[in-house]
Amino acid sequence: KAGVTQTPRYLIKTRGQQVTLSCSPISGHRSVSWYQQTPGQGLQFLFEYFSETQRNKGNFPGRFSGRQFSNSRSEMNVSTLELGDSALYLCASMLVPDPSYEQYFGPGTRLTVT
Amino acid sequence: QKEVEQDPGPLSVPEGAIVSLNCTYSNSAFQYFMWYRQYSRKGPELLMYTYSSGNKEDGRFTAQVDKSSKYISLFIRDSQPSDSATYLCAMSRGISSGSARQLTFGSGTQLTVLP
Repeated sequence: KAGVTQTPRYLIKTRGQQVTLSCSPISGHRSVSWYQQTPGQGLQFLFEYFSETQRNKGNFPGRFSGRQFSNSRSEMNVSTLELGDSALYLCASMLVPDPSYEQYFGPGTRLTVT
Repeated sequence: QKEVEQDPGPLSVPEGAIVSLNCTYSNSAFQYFMWYRQYSRKGPELLMYTYSSGNKEDGRFTAQVDKSSKYISLFIRDSQPSDSATYLCAMSRGISSGSARQLTFGSGTQLTVLP
């Protein structure tokens, strides 16, 4: 079974630009969560989508947004990029319902903002 | 103060040693506890999952949860150089909270097992 895939793997953007990242979950998984990982703050929850609806949102500004399509693939968008947005962006998928709440992570997209 | 505290290390041990990794948490709403392993430039990989207080064993790995002390541990027996990675504890709230799928992570402990 294929794992979680994320594209692109690496991105370099300039301050003020916007960026869209893509995540394809494991087949059959309908929940997709996004996380930001930085050396200073560690792994922080951005938001979760299930059945094309945002179910939970972390403490991030409105510049961070996302969506989920009917095939469970998800995209996240960051507008007006800031230097502090440089991070590894990870998505995780989960089978719902799943009594163990196991989440499976993709390899991440490394975003560098210059 | 962070909801989940984890000693960042780095931790360096000889091959074959028993490794103990720990996290403390402050929010009693956390009900599900996980340990992830992350190799450099890779996404986190789920190692262990526990729900209730007590021990859970899987091969060389043992996860321990003490809800009364708000303390969780991961033990690695007979550690191998291939265990060298960053270990992250993660927690989520109960189903009734509506955010059971939102993970709160510790900062991670960097482990090196020397041959």
